[in-house]
Amino acid sequence: QVQVVESGGGLVKPGGSLRLSCAASGFTFSDYCMSWIRQTPGKGLEWLSYISTRGSTIYYADSVKGRFTISRDNANNSLYLQMNSLRVEDTAVYYCARDRKELASGGVYSGMDVWGQGTTVTVSS
Amino acid sequence: EIVMTQSPLFLPVTPGEPASISCRSSQSLLHRNGHNYLDWYLQKPGQSPQLLIYLGSYRASGVPDRFSGSGSGTDFTLRISRVEAGDVGVYYCMQALEPRTFGQGTKVEIK
Repeated sequence: QVQVVESGGGLVKPGGSLRLSCAASGFTFSDYCMSWIRQTPGKGLEWLSYISTRGSTIYYADSVKGRFTISRDNANNSLYLQMNSLRVEDTAVYYCARDRKELASGGVYSGMDVWGQGTTVTVSS
Repeated sequence: EIVMTQSPLFLPVTPGEPASISCRSSQSLLHRNGHNYLDWYLQKPGQSPQLLIYLGSYRASGVPDRFSGSGSGTDFTLRISRVEAGDVGVYYCMQALEPRTFGQGTKVEIK
């Protein structure tokens, strides 16, 4: 079935780094853009980053720009989020989600329609 | 950054009755392609968010037709024609013009 599964979360000290992974299956990964979203404890959702199918277009939220890097490996159906200079306020559940589908005629946006179960990142000394 | 404001933040509902949530953006979400880049997501208790509505009014696959989205520009509404017990959770609007931003969420509970 169509799914994405996040991994790589854990406990890290402030200033440390962590790399999250998102494994996609059940669909042609290289046809879809992807996004990362997080949810801080007891709070709402925060969109973090977006990457196009070939990685040529990337966007970040201001809160993570310059610290987080999104990337993908289409050969291995995987999405990544490299997180550096982590802060206590980065503590959250991190989700990856399937995004816009890119066709030869252009992109088709139909929402972020497939979400993983999330992976938990805790930044604490 | 586009700021998204939802109201109400808490909505007690009665099964079988209609319900609606408002979402307002600080800038127009109407793209030059004619679509409004506004989504609605529902996060049920203990679950990941799920897509309900995209581009303002298009129901996602598998979403019951009790759910509808409307609006244009800066003002949008999610309507549930007849609330069911399984509709409880937190509803979020999100604008999809990069960088994307979510509303604060509206918690829907059964009265």
